[in-house]
Amino acid sequence: DAGVIQSPRHEVTEMGQEVTLRCKLISGHNSLFWYRQTMMRGLELLIYFNNNVPIDDSGMPEDRFSAKMPNASFSTLKIQPSEPRDSAVYFCASSYEGTNTGELFFGEGSRLTVL
Amino acid sequence: AQRVTQPEKLLSVFKGAPVELKCNYSYSGSPELFWYVQYSRQRLQLLLRHISRESIKGFTADLNKGETSFHLKKPFAQEEDSAMYYCALSRNSGYSTLTFGKGTMLLVSP
Repeated sequence: DAGVIQSPRHEVTEMGQEVTLRCKLISGHNSLFWYRQTMMRGLELLIYFNNNVPIDDSGMPEDRFSAKMPNASFSTLKIQPSEPRDSAVYFCASSYEGTNTGELFFGEGSRLTVL
Repeated sequence: AQRVTQPEKLLSVFKGAPVELKCNYSYSGSPELFWYVQYSRQRLQLLLRHISRESIKGFTADLNKGETSFHLKKPFAQEEDSAMYYCALSRNSGYSTLTFGKGTMLLVSP
């Protein structure tokens, strides 16, 4: 297994544009997490899905952010419209909620720059 | 609400020196604590978890509920230990959402 796969790895866009980040889970995993990493705030949980259902979205900054899981192996995080303060590295992670280990498997991240 | 505090942004030591990366947490329940590590150009990955009481790559961490701490220790640092280290807390068993500290960069010089 190639692990959690994120795309794009780097995205540079202009303020006001729509950004879509993609994530493919590890096969067999049933939980999906989106984290945002910035220098000021570190790693923040944005949203958590279990069995395709959003369980905790309290970390989603505002209505400009939305996340979906159209199927069990894939998720998108959309920012519309994007703003410079959204510049960060966005990580996707997956796990199997049932092993009780608490281990998350992270992707390599998508570095977003909004000009 | 739970919180994880890593007071040092950067810890610089010489090879062979002891290392202690500090982590304090606040949570009213009974948490599970973890250390994650990110080596240069690699993914963030689990280093160790407190319930396993294991030593990984020479690192150990003991949960001290009285001091609400989970410091990461290694008696003799190696250059390959240079990385970003994150302490993380999980609220409940079987519920894997992790709250991370802001991380500490460990730099081990020859």
